Amino acid sequence: KNEVEQSPQNLTAQEGEFITINCSYSVGISALHWLQQHPGGGIVSLFMLSSGKKKHGRLIATINIQEKHSSLHITASHPRDSAVYICAFGGSQGNLIFGKGTKLSVKP
Amino acid sequence: GAGVSQSPSNKVTEKGKDVELRCDPISGHTALYWYRQSLGQGLEFLIYFQGNSAPDKSGLPSDRFSAERTGGSVSTLTIQRTQQEDSAVYLCASSPHQGNGYTFGSGTRLTVV
Repeated sequence: KNEVEQSPQNLTAQEGEFITINCSYSVGISALHWLQQHPGGGIVSLFMLSSGKKKHGRLIATINIQEKHSSLHITASHPRDSAVYICAFGGSQGNLIFGKGTKLSVKP
Repeated sequence: GAGVSQSPSNKVTEKGKDVELRCDPISGHTALYWYRQSLGQGLEFLIYFQGNSAPDKSGLPSDRFSAERTGGSVSTLTIQRTQQEDSAVYLCASSPHQGNGYTFGSGTRLTVV
C-alpha cells in the first residue's frame, strides 16, 4: 500500500466549479505539502501545512492530523488551473514522499 | 540565481553512454534533492544532500547512479551505462532547511535511445 493516496486520479471540471482533491496518508507526519506540476513539467510548491487551514488566492488547503487526511480546494476554477496536483510529506531525511498526483483539467 | 537551475533541459543519449545532469540550487539553500519522474509515473526520490553531511543515497535505483555536491552548492547526477529504463525527467529541488520551503528546478528530460 502506498504511504500516500490521492483521489481522484483524474478530474475534469467546468470553468467556475469548486474543486476538491483529497490526500490520505498512513504514517505520522509533521507536515504535508501540496505541489502543482504544470503540463511542461515544472513543479511549484503550493502549501506546506502541519495543522488547520491555509489559503492563497483561490487555493485552500486543509489538514486533519488525527484523521491523516488533507484536502486541496480550488474555488472558481479556471482553465489555467489545469495541472497535476501532488501531495507529499517529508520522509525521515527531509526528502519528500509523493502521492501519484491528481490530473485536473478545467474546461472553458 | 533566483531559482533552481538545471542543465541540460533535454538530453538524448545512446544506450550504454554515460550522462551528467547538473543542478544549481538557490544560493544559501543547504538541502538539495534529486528526484525522477518516469513517463506516467509519480515522483521518485533518488538522493538527498544536507550541508556537509554524508548524502542519503537510499533512493538510487542502481550502482550506475551516483551524485556529488561540490562546495555545498552545485550538484551533478551521473548515470553510467545508461539503459532505456533510465529515460525520465530528473528533477532537482533545494530548500533552506531540511524538509522546509522546497523550490524545484524545471528538470532535465533524459531520453535513452
